[in-house]
Amino acid sequence: QVQLQESGPGVVKPSETLSLKCSVSGGPINNYYWNWIRQTPGKGLEWIGYFFYSGDTDYNPSLKSRVTISVDTSKNQFSLHLSSVTAADTAVYYCARQAEGMDVWGHGTTVTVSS
Amino acid sequence: DIQMTQSPSSLSASAGDRVTITCQASQDIRNYLNWYQQKPGKAPKLLIYDASNLETGVPSRFSGSGSGTDFTFTISSLQPEDFATYYCQQYDNLPITFGQGTRLEI
Repeated sequence: QVQLQESGPGVVKPSETLSLKCSVSGGPINNYYWNWIRQTPGKGLEWIGYFFYSGDTDYNPSLKSRVTISVDTSKNQFSLHLSSVTAADTAVYYCARQAEGMDVWGHGTTVTVSS
Repeated sequence: DIQMTQSPSSLSASAGDRVTITCQASQDIRNYLNWYQQKPGKAPKLLIYDASNLETGVPSRFSGSGSGTDFTFTISSLQPEDFATYYCQQYDNLPITFGQGTRLEI
């Protein structure tokens, strides 16, 4: 069965770029949308963006100027890059596969923005 | 953005109770509505997709209905493991948006 695992630094300094990877095991990255979502106590669940295996990407307009999602099919991984972070970007970050619903999620990784 | 409003925000219930949560979209989302369960420290788990379809492996006590702007999620007979937070999510229009959650507690 398909499993997702997020990885990346737990602490990022303000104004720097947050970079996370999502490793996909148990199946190839195709035929689905691959998402990044974050969760904070204040704003709840927030969709960051996704890519489709064909190469299309789309992002939440609220973050679009700072977000890039990329894929490395040779490693079965996709990545999130969020630039110019502030304390408001402190959150639990999840990657998730989407068919109709988001049916497979990673465990989540906590990222704190702090100097 | 489409706003998803869940009601109630929290709910106290007992094992065996029938529980209903509603989700209202700020505009027509057809049936592109999913329901998730989240327990503390865990990722959300998909229960219902496309408003009324039970995800594989999810117990039949969970159900969903609705279309357009008004949706309902029901647990027919609460089990102890059902105490969690539940979220609706629309994917008819980007950005994908979630409801604020309904915390179901004893």
